[in-house]
Amino acid sequence: GAVVSQHPSWVICKSGTSVKIECRSLDFQATTMFWYRQFPKQSLMLMATSNEGSKATYEQGVEKDKFLINHASLTLSTLTVTSAHPEDSSFYICSARDISLFYEQYFGPGTRLTVT
Amino acid sequence: QQQVKQSPQSLIVQKGGISIINCAYENTAFDYFPWYQQFPGKGPALLIAIRPDVSEKKEGRFTISFNKSAKQFSLHIMDSQPGDSATYFCAARDTGANNLFFGTGTRLTVIP
Repeated sequence: GAVVSQHPSWVICKSGTSVKIECRSLDFQATTMFWYRQFPKQSLMLMATSNEGSKATYEQGVEKDKFLINHASLTLSTLTVTSAHPEDSSFYICSARDISLFYEQYFGPGTRLTVT
Repeated sequence: QQQVKQSPQSLIVQKGGISIINCAYENTAFDYFPWYQQFPGKGPALLIAIRPDVSEKKEGRFTISFNKSAKQFSLHIMDSQPGDSATYFCAARDTGANNLFFGTGTRLTVIP
């Protein structure tokens, strides 16, 4: 299957600072990338969808100014959590769709964010 | 509103047994149904997927059964192994939408 990487795998930051998470599709081109958030023992919650070169589409209830998403190329998307607060602590997972395989969607290994 | 309903929430199976996880949906526009396996602290991994033009798909020990008229699909894990212990998510997407709708997940424990 296709490989999606995320960096960093875990990060600890202080309240009020910003954190950037990178998501890369390593062996395929992804016109669409997705960002999810997952709380312990819960399902994945879609935060936003981004298409290469376009602004991200955010799900209802997700603050656009807090979670900045950039999808500058077919292999890279970034999520920046701005002015992080302890309630932003979570497991963030990116996902990418392979344009050569219309339906399949692959997930990254996730990033554990802890805000102190 | 939960677009995809998944059951059971948790499942304990003896090694060598069959694990069965069920999902149901309402949106008849859904036409892609993947299953993902997730280990603690890891991202979901695509396990197997089916489209509604077939009623069953098998890959190794994993089989998806699909019932279009009942709007249900299920994952069967044959000869379950302790290494299969993980959380399994079903999902669905329609061609008009861009994202997957996930079930709530099933935590599978296979005991030796």
